Amino acid sequence: DAKTTQPTSMDCAEGRAANLPCNHSTISGNEYVYWYRQIHSQGPQYIIHGLKNNETNEMASLIITEDRKSSTLILPHATLRDTAVYYCIVRVARAGNMLTFGGGTRLMVKP
Amino acid sequence: DAGVIQSPRHEVTEMGQEVTLRCKPISGHDYLFWYRQTMMRGLELLIYFNNNVPIDDSGMPEDRFSAKMPNASFSTLKIQPSEPRDSAVYFCASRGTGRTGELFFGEGSRLTVL
Repeated sequence: DAKTTQPTSMDCAEGRAANLPCNHSTISGNEYVYWYRQIHSQGPQYIIHGLKNNETNEMASLIITEDRKSSTLILPHATLRDTAVYYCIVRVARAGNMLTFGGGTRLMVKP
Repeated sequence: DAGVIQSPRHEVTEMGQEVTLRCKPISGHDYLFWYRQTMMRGLELLIYFNNNVPIDDSGMPEDRFSAKMPNASFSTLKIQPSEPRDSAVYFCASRGTGRTGELFFGEGSRLTVL
């Protein structure tokens, strides 16, 4: 699986958009980008994933650059409850291929 | 659905004792995963099952660790004998066929070995 690079930490003001970047310059054509988050003392939670096109769901939007070498997870209106570690993971969507978690970005949403 | 259920939530034991962690996956999910999380090493995959059969246990640290899945609704992770370096949060996760990247995690079992 391609290696990902994320900032160690970020701050965001409550109510503002949180934009979390992820670099995956060695991504292959059949690798998807997945985002998970882990709120303190809880298990990781799936957020969203995509291959080429931008994706949006009730939690977030995922913007993938045209060359697919980087992506941005957008939380449109961050709340205090969005404070968490956010993991960007790149993997082939194959049944036997597992998720490998890196260090992630610690997002702190401040009032 | 109640989600993935793990027990116990917290376990404190002494070195050398046997520890058994339990997991009930989401009904209908045919993949089950055991992860371990520490400050030093982050989230590590220990083992996963497909249709109750262990597929990859290469992440299991050593022979003191064993995992079983006797049926589709129950799995155990056992450490015998336990050591202080086994102190960690152990997560169980499950997913269904087809949704290959969407894992559902339990709340974790926090193990402290004194």
